[in-house]
Amino acid sequence: EVQLVESGGGLVQPGESLRLSCAASGFTFTNYALTWVRQAPGKGLEWVSVISGSLDYTNYADSVKGRFTISRDRSKNTLYLQMNSLGAEDTAVYFCAKSLYNWNDAAAFDVWGRGTMVTVSS
Amino acid sequence: QSVLTQPPSVSAAPGQKVTISCSGGSSNIGNNYVSWYQRLPGTAPKLLIYENNKRPSGIPDRFSGSKSGTSATLGVTGLQTGDEADYYCGTWDSNLSAGVFGGGTKLTVL
Repeated sequence: EVQLVESGGGLVQPGESLRLSCAASGFTFTNYALTWVRQAPGKGLEWVSVISGSLDYTNYADSVKGRFTISRDRSKNTLYLQMNSLGAEDTAVYFCAKSLYNWNDAAAFDVWGRGTMVTVSS
Repeated sequence: QSVLTQPPSVSAAPGQKVTISCSGGSSNIGNNYVSWYQRLPGTAPKLLIYENNKRPSGIPDRFSGSKSGTSATLGVTGLQTGDEADYYCGTWDSNLSAGVFGGGTKLTVL
């Protein structure tokens, strides 16, 4: 079964850091781009970042550029999102999603995790 | 403010048909494939349409997609109460070098 399971969410104070993980199973990890998408309370989906399947090219939303870093560990079939300088605007459920393609410049995600909640508050 | 524009809500009676529009520009919808997602309360988004009009296996043909110029449309026929959800369009924006979603449309089956 193709599956993505996120972890690492929680409550942090403004300015702190957090690293999210997404464990993948059931598909060839390096054949597909992987993406982080978030949804703030009462808001719509927001695309956050993507990493390509084989060459680790990365792209970021302007709202997180310079603060967030996406990466993957092929030996562990795990995707990461390192989030620094967190602010209240980063409070959201964070989903990892598998792309239909190996490359970044497409936005079609056929497998999603259940999400992990990140709350930034003092 | 989303890059892609969707109506906040649509509604129709059971058995009827509804369409949801998604409007963008030349850097996103105009030159890239569009996908559509269904988000039922408390669940992860589900891919309904990819590459403008293709359905993944398991998605009933009641759901359809189309694209013309810088706009895309999701159609749902034979509405069921179980179709009540939020629907999102998404695509790549070549100028932003980023993925983009519409603001979402809440479908109510009256």
